[in-house]
Amino acid sequence: EPEVTQTPSHQVTQMGQEVILRCVPISNHLYFYWYRQILGQKVEFLVSFYNNEISEKSEIFDDQFSVERPDGSNFTLKIRSTKLEDSAMYFCASSEVGRGLWDTEAFFGQGTRLTVV
Amino acid sequence: GENVEQHPSTLSVQEGDSAVIKCTYSDSASNYFPWYKQELGKRPQLIIDIRSNVGEKKDQRIAVTLNKTAKHFSLHITETQPEDSAVYFCAASIPGGSYIPTFGRGTSLIVHP
Repeated sequence: EPEVTQTPSHQVTQMGQEVILRCVPISNHLYFYWYRQILGQKVEFLVSFYNNEISEKSEIFDDQFSVERPDGSNFTLKIRSTKLEDSAMYFCASSEVGRGLWDTEAFFGQGTRLTVV
Repeated sequence: GENVEQHPSTLSVQEGDSAVIKCTYSDSASNYFPWYKQELGKRPQLIIDIRSNVGEKKDQRIAVTLNKTAKHFSLHITETQPEDSAVYFCAASIPGGSYIPTFGRGTSLIVHP
């Protein structure tokens, strides 16, 4: 069964450093997403990406964050200058195009645990 | 935007009992309601979903009900087993070109053998 894959599984970084989280969405999917989950809290939407541009973003996704699809398979999340409060599990997800009025399931990667020290 | 409330935050049951998790949503335009199960340290995985044109959907031991008028939906797990222990997230999605579910805060279900 196709899966969304993320690397690395765990990243430790010093405050102020830049990090890049990598994702390989399912190959025939066209929508890509980043979510984060602070330990013990709910899954929060960060950004969606379609047709090589940001489709929607939340208030969490400020100027410190950026996303990119550098080639035909990878989808990356960059945090320019990490803060302690960026420590969380970051999930990538992908989905097919929504069909008509009905939306479709998002498939999640296994997550990257980011620890900012 | 959409706001999803989920209760309870923790639920402890004995093996074999039923478990019910309830969610409410705020935006009447939402029409897709998935439920995700997240085992410790793993990715959220869809276990069941319901769309707004039906009121109930069942898949073996799990079922979901939807009340559009009241804007609430519930997950029912019957004959619970220890492997059902996980965090369960409800979500609501507004139709459109992209699929952006808004998640509830999660319910930690513990099934005691």
